[in-house]
Amino acid sequence: EAGVTQFPSHSVIEKGQTVTLRCDPISGHDNLYWYRRVMGKEIKFLLHFVKESKQDESGMPNNRFLAERTGGTYSTLKVQPAELEDSGVYFCASSQGYINQEKLFFGSGTQLSVL
Amino acid sequence: KNEVEQSPQNLTAQEGEFITINCSYSVGISALHWLQQHPGGGIVSLFMLSSGKKKHGRLIATINIQEKHSSLHITASHPRDSAVYICAVRRGSNYKLTFGKGTLLTVNP
Repeated sequence: EAGVTQFPSHSVIEKGQTVTLRCDPISGHDNLYWYRRVMGKEIKFLLHFVKESKQDESGMPNNRFLAERTGGTYSTLKVQPAELEDSGVYFCASSQGYINQEKLFFGSGTQLSVL
Repeated sequence: KNEVEQSPQNLTAQEGEFITINCSYSVGISALHWLQQHPGGGIVSLFMLSSGKKKHGRLIATINIQEKHSSLHITASHPRDSAVYICAVRRGSNYKLTFGKGTLLTVNP
């Protein structure tokens, strides 16, 4: 069974440009989460999808970030325009259900560098 | 102050040593997770705990809900255990986790 996959693994862009990160969750997983780690800080929650609906987007830093999950399958996270402070590692994770014993599966992350 | 504090931040051990990594949290939780990230790799979920103790191979995780504290132990450590170990807590029924900063473990042969 394929795990959670993220594309690209690395992205280097200039300030002001647009970048789109993609996450393919494990097939059949309704719950999809985005997290981010900025250098030197702890990983922080960005948002949570249940199927195609945003369940909780309280962690999104500002309106330069737009996440979508069309059809409840893969998700994209677009940053437009990118700023220096957006640099970090963006992780995606998925889980099948909501129950307390459900395991969370992470992708390998996308390393975003904004120059 | 972060809601989840880990100690130590860095830990170097010799192969075969017994390792303990600690996690303290300041909020009520529904579950606590221990995660592992190898250099350049993705994050792997090791344990999810809401009470007591869990064991998987050489790894043991314990939690004391009253004291708001959890420990991750590694017995007979091996260089392949070298990784960042992250504690994260969950406060509801979803995965809006709050993470610690992680502990970088290096096990030398």
